[in-house]
This record gives sequence, structure tokens and C-alpha cells, in this order.
Amino acid sequence: EPEVTQTPSHQVTQMGQEVILRCVPISNHLYFYWYRQILGQKVEFLVSFYNNEISEKSEIFDDQFSVERPDGSNFTLKIRSTKLEDSAMYFCASSDPGGVGGQYFGPGTRLTVT
Amino acid sequence: AQSVTQPDIHITVSEGASLELRCNYSYGATPYLFWYVQSPGQGLQLLLKYFSGDTLVQGIKGFEAEFKRSQSSFNLRKPSVHWSDAAEYFCAVVVNQAGTALIFGKGTTLSVSS
Repeated sequence: EPEVTQTPSHQVTQMGQEVILRCVPISNHLYFYWYRQILGQKVEFLVSFYNNEISEKSEIFDDQFSVERPDGSNFTLKIRSTKLEDSAMYFCASSDPGGVGGQYFGPGTRLTVT
Repeated sequence: AQSVTQPDIHITVSEGASLELRCNYSYGATPYLFWYVQSPGQGLQLLLKYFSGDTLVQGIKGFEAEFKRSQSSFNLRKPSVHWSDAAEYFCAVVVNQAGTALIFGKGTTLSVSS
């Protein structure tokens, strides 16, 4: 069964450093998403991406964040200058060409900012 | 604004007993409704989804959910719980547009006692 993959599984970085989280969505999916889950809290939407542009973003997704689909398979989330409060589990998801057939999530990347 | 409420933070059920996890949503129209499960250290797995039609939907792992428009609810049920069902369960909604963000409830942690 096809699945969403994410790398790395755990990333530790110092405050102020840039990080790039990587995702490979399911191959025939056209909608891509990033969510985050701060420890003990609910899953929060960051951004959705379709046709090589952002289709929706939340208040959390400020200028420090960016997304990119650099090639036909990868989807990345960049945080330019990490803060302590960026420490969270980041989930990538993708959904089918119709966009509403359910979003399928990757296993997540745990980001720890020290 | 759309919201999802899961009134039970933590539920403990005996193995073999039935389970019902509650979910209520607040939205002007009928959204698309989902249940996800998250095992410790894992990503989110889609259990089932409701878009339209039959209000009782079947999912994976023996779960089902019933949509009740009059109560704005989408409760998750399982007739006989297994120890491996212990996990966190999230209800989520999305407006019926492609590529739109999932809005999650805060989750219900299910413990299974022997």
C-alpha cells in the first residue's frame, strides 16, 4: 500500500538555525499539506499546496516558513530561523486528485530546537 | 468558525467491551468528517471518512462511525475492543473543498484494560 514518507524522523537544531523537513507524498496525489503537533496538544494545520503554489495557510505559517516541491516527488518545509516554540512533531500529508478523499499522513519528523 | 469537540479526554475500556468515542462539530453546512488514530510515536492513520450518503460508515480495524446531522455528531464505535486499539483518536472535519485544511479535535486517549 502506498504511503507518505518523511525524513528525518528526528531533527535536533539550535535556535536560529535553518531546518528543512522532507516528505515524499503518495505518487498520484496532487494536494500536499504540512501539520504540526506540539507535545500534548492537538494537530494544527500549517499549509496546503497544489499545482506548485500555496492554496491555504494558517496564522502559524508566517514568513519564517516556506514550502517547496523541488522535483516530482519531494515536498519540503523550511523553517528559516528556528525558535524554541517550533519544537513539535511535523506531519506531512497528501490527498488524492479530488482533494477530499481523506488526507494520508506520514510518520512525522520530531523537531527539537535547543 | 469551524470547530471540533471531543468531550472525553481519556477513556478506559475493558478488552472485549464495546467502545464509543464522541465527536461534535460546529459548522454551518455538513462538512466532510474523518476519524484518525495515532499510536504512540506513530503518525496519523485514517480510520474512516464520511462525505455523503449512508450515515453509517465502516472503516478499517472493525471501526464504524455514525453521522447524525441533527446532533452535529460523528461518533466512533467498535463492538469489541482489542488491547491493540489503545491509542489516541482524533476526529477531524474539512469543508467540502479540495485541498482544504483538516480541523482536528483535541483527541481522546483510549486505554484498554485486561
